[in-house]
Amino acid sequence: LAKTTQPISMDSYEGQEVNITCSHNNIATNDYITWYQQFPSQGPRFIIQGYKTKVTNEVASLFIPADRKSSTLSLPRVSLSDTAVYYCLVGRGWGATNKLIFGTGTLLAVQP
Amino acid sequence: SQTIHQWPATLVQPVGSPLSLECTVEGTSNPNLYWYRQAAGRGLQLLFYSVGIGQISSEVPQNLSASRPQDRQFILSSKKLLLSDSGFYLCAWSPLAGGESTDTQYFGPGTRLTVL
Repeated sequence: LAKTTQPISMDSYEGQEVNITCSHNNIATNDYITWYQQFPSQGPRFIIQGYKTKVTNEVASLFIPADRKSSTLSLPRVSLSDTAVYYCLVGRGWGATNKLIFGTGTLLAVQP
Repeated sequence: SQTIHQWPATLVQPVGSPLSLECTVEGTSNPNLYWYRQAAGRGLQLLFYSVGIGQISSEVPQNLSASRPQDRQFILSSKKLLLSDSGFYLCAWSPLAGGESTDTQYFGPGTRLTVL
């Protein structure tokens, strides 16, 4: 399973755009890239998933370069409620062992 | 829509006591089910996963066990708790292989376990 590397923490202010980059040099051909958000004492919540290029939903955008060895989660105009831990994961396509490995994530602290 | 339930929400148990945490999923069939543990300030550690009734795969050797007696029920157990078993336990489900989503997991509210 591909290992991911992301910053331990980031600081931002309300209204700013935040970009969190994740490295996954050993990503396999059929791996997808998924980002989760976790608030204290809650389970992680799915944010966005992509395979290549750019994916956008109502919450965030995910940028994936052609070599897929990294990805960037972009949060537009963050608010205080976006303070959370963000996890980047890569996982294989469907198979008998559909497992994801969660790292320590990136703690995003949004200040007023 | 699908929902996932876990109980209890919090639990305080003495060392050496047994443990049973339950997770149920509604609104889907044949889900893949997972148990994770999260220590304070740490990432999630996958403990067990199941692709069907009675089919359990263990990721980390320990004094915990899991069972799946029904399609949408997943139970985490221990005969004797250790101090190191304290943590935040999360159950998750994902669609059956071949569904539209790929590796997307949906998490329950979690159980905060404190072993004293």
